[in-house]
Amino acid sequence: DTEVTQTPKHLVMGMTNKKSLKCEQHMGHRAMYWYKQKAKKPPELMFVYSYEKLSINESVPSRFSPECPNSSLLNLHLHALQPEDSALYLCASGRVGQTDTQYFGPGTRLTVL
Amino acid sequence: AQSVAQPEDQVNVAEGNPLTVKCTYSVSGNPYLFWYVQYPNRGLQFLLKYITGDNLVKGSYGFEAEFNKSQTSFHLKKPSALVSDSALYFCAVRRRDNYGQNFVFGPGTRLSVLP
Repeated sequence: DTEVTQTPKHLVMGMTNKKSLKCEQHMGHRAMYWYKQKAKKPPELMFVYSYEKLSINESVPSRFSPECPNSSLLNLHLHALQPEDSALYLCASGRVGQTDTQYFGPGTRLTVL
Repeated sequence: AQSVAQPEDQVNVAEGNPLTVKCTYSVSGNPYLFWYVQYPNRGLQFLLKYITGDNLVKGSYGFEAEFNKSQTSFHLKKPSALVSDSALYFCAVRRRDNYGQNFVFGPGTRLSVLP
């Protein structure tokens, strides 16, 4: 199983809402990632978890709050977002190590009204 | 600092013709190089990677890439393009001595294969 799943596929939220994005993998990967991708642009790294601990936070605003409850799950909690946060949010996983491939989920298309 | 350039925003090729999508990188030390493809409204799919060894790397869907250290390039190639290859292609680099786990992606190249 080389699949990373993400739910929901689409999410529309107001600026005062609280919502969460979910990512799951069952490949035994101990590194998990959140990326933000704007249209026709490359993915931008947001957070990296290694062995369920946050190892990289790329200066992401606090309205984005990641959580890794176990080695298979990764959540991104959203609160008080801005319209410019509308984007495709991609989750990825991989083994811990420089040579290893990151496997991406299909993404959640987020629209903030 | 690591960086990746994809000098062409758009590449057009006729079906059945060979295709090349260019990538050059800048990194101190030896690189690990990757190619990903993204279809509309989808995540990124891994195509191939160069770690060490043979400079010609073969990957998924008939794609291959050639690592050229002197030119700091890692161009993606396919001998005969298919209409279904039309997508957005990203080159990515990870520094070999950086145990950090982040990729640096190039800006992407949109490939259009015309029937």
